Amino acid sequence: EVQLQESGPGLVKPSQSLSLTCSVTGYSITSNYWGWIRKFPGNKMEWMGYISYSGSTSYNPSLKSRISITRDTSKNQFFLQLNSVTTEDTATYYCARYSATRDYFDYWGQGVMVTVSS
Amino acid sequence: DIQMTQTPSSMPSSLGERVTISCRASQGISNYLNWYQQKPDGTIKPLIYYTSDLQSGVPSRFSGSGSGTDYSLTISSLEPEDFAMYYCQQYDSSPYTFGAGTKLELK
Repeated sequence: EVQLQESGPGLVKPSQSLSLTCSVTGYSITSNYWGWIRKFPGNKMEWMGYISYSGSTSYNPSLKSRISITRDTSKNQFFLQLNSVTTEDTATYYCARYSATRDYFDYWGQGVMVTVSS
Repeated sequence: DIQMTQTPSSMPSSLGERVTISCRASQGISNYLNWYQQKPDGTIKPLIYYTSDLQSGVPSRFSGSGSGTDYSLTISSLEPEDFAMYYCQQYDSSPYTFGAGTKLELK
């Protein structure tokens, strides 16, 4: 069974970088697409970006200057880095697999809450 | 970006009731519309992809329909485990965008 698990600091200071890891078991990240989605307080959800099976990336233009998604295929992990965070980046961050054949997020992690505060 | 207007934002409902959640896109999205359920513990699972295709394991009381700019998710008879948040998501064009969510609550 495909399983995803997010990990990383729950508290980040403004202007610093937010770094999260998504560990995947049961499936290789060298297939399909692997994304990050966040849910803000108040329930709005935002697609942040993804990394493909080949390592290419696509980002939400609203974040393009601040976001980087990378991977370590030897550990079957992919990563999110978001720079210059503000309090508006406070959210629950989810990693998910995006099915290339059916075009939807079919497996999700449980989410990790990140608060940006001094 | 394509804006997704999801209504209602909350829906007090009763067990056994038939409910419909709507999602309207700011432009035509050619049926490229998915639905997700988020439980109170935060877990998210897919329900329906490509407007009306049911994810494996999802009960048949869930169904999706629509075309052009207007789409809907229907639950034919509410079960206790259906009280949750629901989101639509379009993938016609990047960036993928979500509706604002509908909270199904017990009346």
